[in-house]
Amino acid sequence: NAGVTQTPKFRILKIGQSMTLQCAQDMNHNYMYWYRQDPGMGLKLIYYSVGAGITDKGEVPNGYNVSRSTTEDFPLRLELAAPSQTSVYFCASSYAEYSNQPQHFGDGTRLSIL
Amino acid sequence: RKEVEQDPGPFNVPEGATVAFNCTYSNSASQSFFWYRQDCRKEPKLLMSVYSSGNEDGRFTAQLNRASQYISLLIRDSKLSDSATYLCVVNKDSGYSTLTFGKGTMLLVSP
Repeated sequence: NAGVTQTPKFRILKIGQSMTLQCAQDMNHNYMYWYRQDPGMGLKLIYYSVGAGITDKGEVPNGYNVSRSTTEDFPLRLELAAPSQTSVYFCASSYAEYSNQPQHFGDGTRLSIL
Repeated sequence: RKEVEQDPGPFNVPEGATVAFNCTYSNSASQSFFWYRQDCRKEPKLLMSVYSSGNEDGRFTAQLNRASQYISLLIRDSKLSDSATYLCVVNKDSGYSTLTFGKGTMLLVSP
C-alpha cells in the first residue's frame, strides 16, 4: 500500500537554486494538497488541486508553483530558493467532493536552504 | 479569535490517566471536524472524525459543541504510545473547502 509518496525525503539547497518536490498517490484521489510546517507551527496550505489541470492558491503560495497534469502526480516547484522556505513539506490527498473526507499525508520532505 | 486554537501543552500525564484536550474554532459555518495525531518528525495521521452527536473509538471520545464552537478529545487509560501532538482540524466553510490545522497539543505519557 504505497498511498502518498514524496521524494526526496531530505534536501539541502543553496539560496537561489531551484528544485521540484515530487508527490504521487495511487489511491485515485482527485484532491491533492501541499503544506509546509515550520517548527512549532501548524500546517500552512501552499497550493491545492481539485483534479487534473486545476490548481488553486492556498494560504502561503508565494515563491512556489505547482502543476497537475495527471490525477496521480502533484509536483511542487521552488524557483528561487530562499532561507524562509526552510521547512518540512507535506503532500496530502483526499477523495473528496465534500471536505468531510480525511486527507492522507505523505511522510514529508525536509528542506533546508542555506 | 484565531481560526483554530489549541493549548500547545505539553500535557504530562502518567500511564492510565484520563486526559482531555479542547479546541476552539472561529467560523460558525464550519461543518467538518477532525482530530489528527502527529508523532515527532512524522506526518499527521487521522485519529478520528468528530460528529455532531459525539463519537467514540476505543479509548478515544470526541465531542462537538457548535453553540460554543469547540471540539474536545478525551483519552482514557493513557498509554505510553499515546505520546504525540494532537491536531485539531476544521474545514474553513460549509460545503467543500480546504482544512485549517491547529498548531497542536502535545501529550507526554510517562511510566
